[in-house]
Order: sequence, then C-alpha cells, then structure tokens
Amino acid sequence: EVQLLESGGGLVQPGGSLRLSCAASGFNFNNYAMSWVRQAPGKGLEWVSTISGSDNKTYHADSVKGRFTISRDKSKNTLYLEVNSLRAEDAAVYYCAKKVGGVYAFDIWGQGTMVTVSS
Amino acid sequence: QSALTQPASVSGSPGQSITISCTGTSSDVGGYNYVSWYQQHPGKAPKLLIYGVSDRPSGVSNRFSGSKSGNTASLTISGLQAEDEADYYCSSYTSSGTLYVFGTGTKVTVL
Repeated sequence: EVQLLESGGGLVQPGGSLRLSCAASGFNFNNYAMSWVRQAPGKGLEWVSTISGSDNKTYHADSVKGRFTISRDKSKNTLYLEVNSLRAEDAAVYYCAKKVGGVYAFDIWGQGTMVTVSS
Repeated sequence: QSALTQPASVSGSPGQSITISCTGTSSDVGGYNYVSWYQQHPGKAPKLLIYGVSDRPSGVSNRFSGSKSGNTASLTISGLQAEDEADYYCSSYTSSGTLYVFGTGTKVTVL
C-alpha cells in the first residue's frame, strides 16, 4: 500500500525549531519529487516546499525562505522539513505529498502533523 | 504570489450539477496545463480529483470533470451526492518562482 506517515509536530515557542519527518512506503521514493503543504486552522492549503526526485533541487515559498529547509534521505525513504525561527503564522497542519510523475500535482498525501506556535 | 481565486461557497441539490471556478493569471492557470483539483473532508487530508486540467486518477468517479478556458479553470460535479459535501481546492504550477499556487478554496454544500 502506498503510504506517507508524518511525525515530529508539536508545541513550540515563537523563535523555536522543529524537524518534521515523513516516512514513505509502497512506492519508489527515489523517483519522485516530494513536497510539504500546510493548512492553518480554518484556512486553505498553502504550498511550502518541494524537493526534486532526481537531483535534490529544492524550492521554498517566499513566506518560509531562509527559515525552512526541505531534505530527503533516500536510504531511509524519508522526507524532512527543518523549521526554524517559527512564528505564530506558521502554526498549521503540515502534510507531506508525493508528486504525480510528469505532472505538477500531488496524488498521495500523508495524514498531517500539527505544529502549534505559542509561548 | 497570490492565491488563485475560487468562490467561497457553492451549493446544489442531490442529482444536480455544480461548477467551481478557479481564476489565475497567464503565469499559472492560463499559461500551463498543470491545473489540479483536490477534495478535502473535515479533518482529513486532501484527495486528488483531477490533474493536468482534465485527467482523473484511477478510482475517482467520472462525476468529476475538469476544464480550462484562458486564465480560468473549472471543476464540474455532476449527479451531486451527499458525500460530495466538502471543501475543494484548485492548484496550478506557476512560473512566478514559487512552483505551486493553491486556490482560496470552495465549500460545497449539498442541500
């Protein structure tokens, strides 16, 4: 079964850091670009970051550039998101998502991990 | 990069057809055939309904169809059913530098 399982969310103070993880199974993780998409409580979806499958090229939304870093460990079939200098507006459910081969869309989503930013 | 514009809500009776619009610019919706649509039920992860403007993944009902004209894409749900009540989001590749942009989201209510 194709599956993505996120972990690492939690309560963090403003200015703090977390590392989110996404364990992939059931497909050839190395062949696909992977992304993080977030959703603040009661709000819409917001693309955060993408890492390519071939050359590990990374892309980040302007709102997180310089604070968040996406990476992947192909030996562990795991995607990561290092989130630093957290702000109140970063509070959200963070989903990892697999890109459809050859098309800019996400066909597999994890269940999400919640990040709460509060003092 | 601004979000793509969707109506906040759309409603219809069971069996009817409804259409949700998604308006962008020539840098995203109008410039590329990379529009996708997602359905999200409360507390659940989004589910891919349409990719590449009008293609359906295996397992998605053919009651869902997508199209595009200029800078506006559309999702049509035909034969509306109670389980279609959910939030719907469009998304597109964008050449603005941020790679992807999502729509503002539309809440579909089945009357």
